[in-house]
Amino acid sequence: NAGVMQNPRHLVRRRGQEARLRCSPMKGHSHVYWYRQLPEEGLKFMVYLQKENIIDESGMPKERFSAEFPKEGPSILRIQQVVRGDSAAYFCASSLPIPGVSNYGYTFGSGTRLTVV
Amino acid sequence: SQKIEQNSEALNIQEGKTATLTCNYTNYSPAYLQWYRQDPGRGPVFLLLIRENEKEKRKERLKVTFDTTLKQSLFHITASQPADSATYLCALVGAGGGNKLTFGTGTQLKVEL
Repeated sequence: NAGVMQNPRHLVRRRGQEARLRCSPMKGHSHVYWYRQLPEEGLKFMVYLQKENIIDESGMPKERFSAEFPKEGPSILRIQQVVRGDSAAYFCASSLPIPGVSNYGYTFGSGTRLTVV
Repeated sequence: SQKIEQNSEALNIQEGKTATLTCNYTNYSPAYLQWYRQDPGRGPVFLLLIRENEKEKRKERLKVTFDTTLKQSLFHITASQPADSATYLCALVGAGGGNKLTFGTGTQLKVEL
């Protein structure tokens, strides 16, 4: 029973290029979340998605960032025209529809470390 | 504004002692609160969930308390071991906030021999 799978683990992009980060949720989980973590800082919420729907994108920068969770395939976090400040670890998590009802929390992937050079 | 605060200073304790970590929040009405462990270079790992109507939850050597009057949760690790050394994160889902989980900045715990 594989957990949350993120790829790639490490991604290097030059300024101005596009970065595409992929996340396959845990089997049976229909809700996906993306978080960003800067060095020595906490996890910052970016976006929450269900299949084919964005539920909450209050943490997403208004420009250059987008996320999707198609009917088939993984969730994608896309960063266009990357800048050095985008360098961070990006974590994806998945959950059951109503985590608080059960005693299960969110399952996180191992993250994608994005470096913009 | 909403805040979730954890002690930013690292906590160093001796093996076998009980470690107690604190999570305070302001301007939240949490539906439930969760604790996670994060090791360097890894994603957070879920430990415990406690609901707003629960005072205490236990799991093996872990205990969490939740005081909605004080707006505080305490996380205890009894009989601590060097393998417990990690960063511990407190996270909230606000009532009416859907499933959005908001994290504190975490407290680094180091258990020494």
